[in-house]
Amino acid sequence: DAGITQSPRYKITETGRQVTLMCHQTWSHSYMFWYRQDLGHGLRLIYYSAAADITDKGEVPDGYVVSRSKTENFPLTLESATRSQTSVYFCASSSRDRALLEQFFGPGTRLTVL
Amino acid sequence: DAKTTQPTSMDCAEGRAANLPCNHSTISGNEYVYWYRQIHSQGPQYIIHGLKNNETNEMASLIITEDRKSSTLILPHATLRDTAVYYCTAQGRAGAQKLVFGQGTRLTINP
Repeated sequence: DAGITQSPRYKITETGRQVTLMCHQTWSHSYMFWYRQDLGHGLRLIYYSAAADITDKGEVPDGYVVSRSKTENFPLTLESATRSQTSVYFCASSSRDRALLEQFFGPGTRLTVL
Repeated sequence: DAKTTQPTSMDCAEGRAANLPCNHSTISGNEYVYWYRQIHSQGPQYIIHGLKNNETNEMASLIITEDRKSSTLILPHATLRDTAVYYCTAQGRAGAQKLVFGQGTRLTINP
């Protein structure tokens, strides 16, 4: 189906483990984003990408790594998970001409780090 | 990016118009007003945006005051499925890719 998907939807891991969250979109949107949402903090941007092989830091990038070898995929890796990274993670995408106006969000990944 | 202020929560009867206010008194001339909503456990959903003029689409209307210091999102005939947290944000085009959401307004539509 067309749209933006995230996997897994739920993940439980342990402190120190590496975790990769996947994001895939079928619109060929240029821009892709990763946000985390925590109670009391709203939605915060982790990383974003303007095109394949172009990424940039957002508000809270520490502890995360991204890559974008293909336009449709934008994986987010927690290299060594910490409890403070327990959160709901949302991926979003936007077309180049509307990147500044409208972002389409995925369903989210709920990550728990024990 | 301008700071926005919204009421924490609001209630509205089903079938009535829901009017959600947002204050953005420090907004600058090139900053747009965006509205998104988040239905429980789902990703945020874009609703509407505007710069100076009032805007309307299939989801809602956006009324921006002449001095641009505040705006109102109007859901003309609210349904139970409109129950969600509504976020107002004011950002310029250069920074809009970094959406910044505050706490939003929790709108409850009552039958």
